[in-house]
Amino acid sequence: AQSVTQLDSQVPVFEEAPVELRCNYSSSVSVYLFWYVQYPNQGLQLLLKYLSGSTLVKGINGFEAEFNKSQTSFHLRKPSVHISDTAEYFCAVSPYNQGGKLIFGQGTELSVKP
Amino acid sequence: EAGVTQFPSHSVIEKGQTVTLRCDPISGHDNLYWYRRVMGKEIKFLLHFVKESKQDESGMPNNRFLAERTGGTYSTLKVQPAELEDSGVYFCASSLGQGNLYEQYFGPGTRLTVT
Repeated sequence: AQSVTQLDSQVPVFEEAPVELRCNYSSSVSVYLFWYVQYPNQGLQLLLKYLSGSTLVKGINGFEAEFNKSQTSFHLRKPSVHISDTAEYFCAVSPYNQGGKLIFGQGTELSVKP
Repeated sequence: EAGVTQFPSHSVIEKGQTVTLRCDPISGHDNLYWYRRVMGKEIKFLLHFVKESKQDESGMPNNRFLAERTGGTYSTLKVQPAELEDSGVYFCASSLGQGNLYEQYFGPGTRLTVT
């Protein structure tokens, strides 16, 4: 079985400050890793994914994440946030060879203040 | 290219009634997924279609939920009879094919409220 824990339910930050959203996972099988973002009144949008290769993954809108296998973590970072980054962020895993289904964390609400 | 669409955007029904949610995936996407987010909880997988076949329905909560995907195009999720704990946001997602399972595109969701 798999589980995903997002360590912060809410993260307030000032504009242009750096931010890190934390994600840890547990799985008895190998998994792929994802971060999704949901802006108000919209569907989830894929920010980035780790399937293989370099453990540092770059995504859209200046976000990046680092896969740490020993710590089973996949934290999301951005060096300088904008007001428009205010949204809910979801970390997710997908077990190998299980059809692509996603197991999500509880979500982190990022609030960027001027 | 149109994205994943879902209808209705909101539905308010009474306990015991029936509701049918619809999802139209991106044209040509073989894979269709249903997920649900109950308030305050994580988004949970319900089931996965490949074309018109149910590939994985391990997340369906009980037999009050029935999903179909006629002709491998749009999908419906029927809840009959609805219970209070069925309230939440139901998301649909689609992806292209076997080599693109991990590129899922989500719809805006249907917010279901059972009173």
